[in-house]
Amino acid sequence: AQTVTQSQPEMSVQEAETVTLSCTYDTSESDYYLFWYKQPPSRQMILVIRQEAYKQQNATENRFSVNFQKAAKSFSLKISDSQLGDAAMYFCACLPRGAQKLVFGQGTRLTINP
Amino acid sequence: GAVVSQHPSRVICKSGTSVKIECRSLDFQATTMFWYRQFPKKSLMLMATSNEGSKATYEQGVEKDKFLINHASLTLSTLTVTSAHPEDSSFYICSARIPIWGYTFGSGTRLTVV
Repeated sequence: AQTVTQSQPEMSVQEAETVTLSCTYDTSESDYYLFWYKQPPSRQMILVIRQEAYKQQNATENRFSVNFQKAAKSFSLKISDSQLGDAAMYFCACLPRGAQKLVFGQGTRLTINP
Repeated sequence: GAVVSQHPSRVICKSGTSVKIECRSLDFQATTMFWYRQFPKKSLMLMATSNEGSKATYEQGVEKDKFLINHASLTLSTLTVTSAHPEDSSFYICSARIPIWGYTFGSGTRLTVV
């Protein structure tokens, strides 16, 4: 069984600063996908970034980047130049290749201080 | 991009009645959809996996007779909460698998049972 752990229930950051959200996971599979989803107050789930486990290069999407450490089973999300619109719940998720069900972490609530 | 439309966004029903939530894939065919329940400030809890043309697969602890799922076409899955009670009040989200890159989510339904 897969598990995903987000050890930070809440985080806050000053606008324009950088923040890193932590995520660790456990899976016996060697090939899998990792995701970060954002859930703003509207509660719409939005894909932030995706990483394929067989790719060593860390994924990047504009101000969002990940630090993927496969051996440590760690998948942290870095948000640079934080903006007020980044305020949301952030969920880390894991999907083994061939599986159907996403496994979500508990979530981290990110607050942006103006 | 792939969009899943979920309706209604909010519904209030009387205790003992049934309510149906619809989830439609707008520009793609979704052979598999997923139904989640989310409590306030908590993560998404998978309730069931809906497969087109076959019976849904329910997660452990989810009452299949209370939460009826129908996936009659490649673009429509429905969740019916039968004989609703106040404890069924929650936020329900559907999701569909998008080949290769991940999942897309509906905008959610806030159910209040009075």
